[in-house]
Amino acid sequence: AQTVTQSQPEMSVQEAETVTLSCTYDTSENNYYLFWYKQPPSRQMILVIRQEAYKQQNATENRFSVNFQKAAKSFSLKISDSQLGDTAMYFCAFYSNYQLIWGAGTKLIIKP
Amino acid sequence: SQTIHQWPATLVQPVGSPLSLECTVEGTSNPNLYWYRQAAGRGLQLLFYSVGIGQISSEVPQNLSASRPQDRQFILSSKKLLLSDSGFYLCAWAGANYGYTFGSGTRLTVV
Repeated sequence: AQTVTQSQPEMSVQEAETVTLSCTYDTSENNYYLFWYKQPPSRQMILVIRQEAYKQQNATENRFSVNFQKAAKSFSLKISDSQLGDTAMYFCAFYSNYQLIWGAGTKLIIKP
Repeated sequence: SQTIHQWPATLVQPVGSPLSLECTVEGTSNPNLYWYRQAAGRGLQLLFYSVGIGQISSEVPQNLSASRPQDRQFILSSKKLLLSDSGFYLCAWAGANYGYTFGSGTRLTVV
């Protein structure tokens, strides 16, 4: 079965620091997509970044970047220059068979 | 541009009453549509997904059902709500490269 594991239930950092959220997954597929979603207190689910497995280059979106290690099945999210508005739940997800397989989430708190 | 609308935002219903949550998508055709439930502080549980009109796949046996009467309309229903149906319900559609776009959610409280 395909699974997604986020081993950090909660993290907190000071504003302007860099933080890395971990995600590992298990699959036998070779071509797939990976995602990070953010869910702020409003509970709106927002796509942060996506990575195609066939691309070796790590995806970046402004202050957000990933470290995609296909052989290790690891997909971590790095947030640089963290801001108060980054406080949210972060979910890692893997796309397979018309569905997203979700991790349990990491609660990230940015402290002023 | 593609948008997704979900309503109502908040709902308080008595046990045993019916439920109807609606989700519509604009700006795309034949989208894959999804209903999720999320307990407080937890991850998302897939309830139903649909790849076309009248095509519904259920992931979790429960007190809920889903229908897709039109290409861009997805409805979540129940004939008789249970206390355990309380939660936050999210509708989503799968766009390019399988990234999902979510509705704003419905907070359902069964009392």
